[in-house]
Amino acid sequence: SQQGEEDPQALSIQEGENATMNCSYKTSINNLQWYRQNSGRGLVHLILIRSNEREKHSGRLRVTLDTSKKSSSLLITASRAADTASYFCKTSGSRLTFGEGTQLTVNP
Amino acid sequence: DVKVTQSSRYLVKRTGEKVFLECVQDMDHENMFWYRQDPGLGLRLIYFSYDVKMKEKGDIPEGYSVSREKKERFSLILESASTNQTSMYLCASSKAQSSYNEQFFGPGTRLTVL
Repeated sequence: SQQGEEDPQALSIQEGENATMNCSYKTSINNLQWYRQNSGRGLVHLILIRSNEREKHSGRLRVTLDTSKKSSSLLITASRAADTASYFCKTSGSRLTFGEGTQLTVNP
Repeated sequence: DVKVTQSSRYLVKRTGEKVFLECVQDMDHENMFWYRQDPGLGLRLIYFSYDVKMKEKGDIPEGYSVSREKKERFSLILESASTNQTSMYLCASSKAQSSYNEQFFGPGTRLTVL
């Protein structure tokens, strides 16, 4: 399965701190995407990193990809209470599946 | 502003009822998807469609069917609802070549089967 698996399952930090979430997968990929889901809502696409890229930035988000280790990380800098959500990674492929996500709580 | 809408945010049905969940997208996307999301199991793909009248089984199609008569609309059907189908149902769409394109999600339908 190309399903991504996020780690940790839950993360609780204080506002202003950085949050790092990791994703591991099992097979080769074309790209990896990160999504956010606010409680009880649909998912929102955050960022896509292609297999030939090592790092990508978007605002306070930084994504890295290590294809040799089959892993990716999502860093949210200077976190805010509004960043509280579940974060999912999704790998490309014929089966478009997500992991269980990392539940991030940012305390004011 | 791109949009995926789902017919209901909350739905309560009884065991054995036939249930229709509707999803509409206004982005002229070729691909549409139905997922269910359960605690501890993440999102699981039920069915997807790459074109009108085309459908493909996902990872957990049992107990479900789908219909895509028009490009913008993808319906999920529970022929005879059961309590184990109580879940959050999420619809998504994407352009063709979905491996390279983001999926846009609807707000979800929380279905309770009594």
